Amino acid sequence: GAGVSQSPRYKVAKRGQDVALRCDPISGHVSLFWYQQALGQGPEFLTYFQNEAQLDKSGLPSDRFFAERPEGSVSTLKIQRTQQEDSAVYLCASSIPRGKLFFGSGTQLSVL
Amino acid sequence: KQEVTQIPAALSVPEGENLVLNCSFTDSAIYNLQWFRQDPGKGLTSLLLIQSSQREQTSGRLNASLDKSSGRSTLYIAASQPGDSATYLCAVITGTASKLTFGTGTRLQVTL
Repeated sequence: GAGVSQSPRYKVAKRGQDVALRCDPISGHVSLFWYQQALGQGPEFLTYFQNEAQLDKSGLPSDRFFAERPEGSVSTLKIQRTQQEDSAVYLCASSIPRGKLFFGSGTQLSVL
Repeated sequence: KQEVTQIPAALSVPEGENLVLNCSFTDSAIYNLQWFRQDPGKGLTSLLLIQSSQREQTSGRLNASLDKSSGRSTLYIAASQPGDSATYLCAVITGTASKLTFGTGTRLQVTL
C-alpha cells in the first residue's frame, strides 16, 4: 500500500474488555514497530518484529499485552482485560531494517 | 538506558523568524538520529534522518545537525510559516538495537 494503515482509528472499550488493533505496514518493509503515546508525551516503544519474528517485546507493559505478525505482514496488537491506564494512542510503524520509520495515523484507545 | 531530552517544550514565534529546536541524548553510541513532525491527532512524519557518521542533513527550509560526541542535535527551521506549527520530535537508534527512543517533543506555534 501507499502508507502504513491502522484500524480502527478510534476504539472505546469498557474496562475489562479485550481489544485488537490492526496494522498494515508498507509492502516490503520487514521491520514493524508498535509504540504507545500518552497525551503530551513522546511515543514509548512496545515491541518490534522483523518479518514474523518478534525480536524485542521489552516495552510491553504487562502480560495483558500481546502482539503477533504471523505471516510477516499485517500485525495485531491485542490488549486483554483493558484498564483505564491503557488509554493512549497506539502507533504502528514500518521500515527497512534500521531505516527511516514510516508511521500510521494511530489508534486512539479510550478505556471507560 | 538511552534518554532523549528536547528543549524547549513549547515555542511560539512570529511568521518569518528563523528558529532552532534542541535535542540531547545521554548515550552517544547512536546508529542514527531522526527528526519527526506530528500534527494534532495524526501520526508522525519523518523529516530528516542523520546517520551517526554524518554531521548534518538538509531538506528545503530544514537543516538538522548532529554532534554525536556531545550528545546533541539541532533542527533549524528557516523563515518559519504558520504551516510549520506542529510538535517536533527527535529520536535515536542506539547501538545494535533496532528501536527508536523518542524525546517528548517541542510544540511549535508560528503566528501570523
